[in-house]
Amino acid sequence: GDSVTQMEGPVTLSEEAFLTINCTYTATGYPSLFWYVQYPGEGLQLLLKATKADDKGSNKGFEATYRKETTSFHLEKGSVQVSDSAVYFCALRGNSGYSTLTFGKGTMLLVSP
Amino acid sequence: GAGVSQSPSNKVTEKGKDVELRCDPISGHTALYWYRQSLGQGLEFLIYFQGNSAPDKSGLPSDRFSAERTGGSVSTLTIQRTQQEDSAVYLCASSLGQGPGNTIYFGEGSWLTVV
Repeated sequence: GDSVTQMEGPVTLSEEAFLTINCTYTATGYPSLFWYVQYPGEGLQLLLKATKADDKGSNKGFEATYRKETTSFHLEKGSVQVSDSAVYFCALRGNSGYSTLTFGKGTMLLVSP
Repeated sequence: GAGVSQSPSNKVTEKGKDVELRCDPISGHTALYWYRQSLGQGLEFLIYFQGNSAPDKSGLPSDRFSAERTGGSVSTLTIQRTQQEDSAVYLCASSLGQGPGNTIYFGEGSWLTVV
């Protein structure tokens, strides 16, 4: 079945540092890929998505590129802020008929001033 | 409404009691999903509704768990004879349609603690 593996946290960075959170997936066919973010005390929010190979999703300074050859969708940001502290979830969704989201276990990011 | 609304936001219940969790999806969204988020388990899919029918119940962990949806809108997740391992955040989500191009929007969750 489909699965998503992402790096375990917490990831601890200083403000303005470069961020990478690794995500790899296993799926049949060509899924869509997503990053969701959960800020403290809030619900899951869609951060960005990519629906086909080589697509780059971007939002709020975050980027991720759909790499079919490495089955990866790593999340990056050039300069993190304290307000980026949250839990980040990588997810996939099949591209045929009905499908739900399959999530990774989440990576906590802590950014200090 | 503006977003997916869930109630209660927090619930503490005694082991063995039944609980009901409610979800109001975004108006007009035909697809509705329940997930469970617990420490060490990440986000687990429980059940999916399209309209009032549930074509995929594969994630319900036991027959103590059931869900229904009425009027193509509000959904209720019921847990009977709660156990301590049921303690988790129960997340509801909805999307305009069931196709993969439809973004899935999540509520803030119902935090269930079984003591």
